Amino acid sequence: GAVVSQHPSWVICKSGTSVKIECRSLDFQATTMFWYRQFPKQSLMLMATSNEGSKATYEQGVEKDKFLINHASLTLSTLTVTSAHPEDSSFYICSARPFGDINSPLHFGNGTRLTVT
Amino acid sequence: DAKTTQPNSMESNEEEPVHLPCNHSTISGTDYIHWYRQLPSQGPEYVIHGLTSNVNNRMASLAIAEDRKSSTLILHRATLRDAAVYYCILRDVYGQNFVFGPGTRLSVLP
Repeated sequence: GAVVSQHPSWVICKSGTSVKIECRSLDFQATTMFWYRQFPKQSLMLMATSNEGSKATYEQGVEKDKFLINHASLTLSTLTVTSAHPEDSSFYICSARPFGDINSPLHFGNGTRLTVT
Repeated sequence: DAKTTQPNSMESNEEEPVHLPCNHSTISGTDYIHWYRQLPSQGPEYVIHGLTSNVNNRMASLAIAEDRKSSTLILHRATLRDAAVYYCILRDVYGQNFVFGPGTRLSVLP
């Protein structure tokens, strides 16, 4: 089955530093990937839609200059949390769907737990 | 995307069937019904999806009401590993992303 790999699975960083999270589709190509954030005991909230070769689309209230998204190839999207603060500590999850298959379900990575100290 | 309503939590005994309900009274004709589940500290996992007819796969069955205003995810024999949050999501066939509601937290008792 389709696999989405996310790296790292967890990261601890100091306040003010930047952290990059990678999302790879291992056995399919994806022109679009999605980034979600999940706080404890809450559901997933869509942050942005990552489009290969063009700018990402951000949901209302998500700062595009703080959460930089790059989708440089059909199998890789990256999310960089810039100048991280403790309130950015969360569980970040990416997802993707095989290109050209509109009926395919979304496939999710296993998430990255970010802790900002 | 149309909204779904699920119970906050449910309990089941191990090895018994579990019926997880979902109401979606504002579903449109082109909305697919998707079910995902999320185990602790993991990303969501696809379970099943359907449009009008009931669906079966190795993980579960999906029973869709005739008027499509509700559906039920059926786990035929719950195991401890099925303890998770189950999300019922509607997505238009041309839609891209999923909008997650609170889901149903399923506890499985040994």
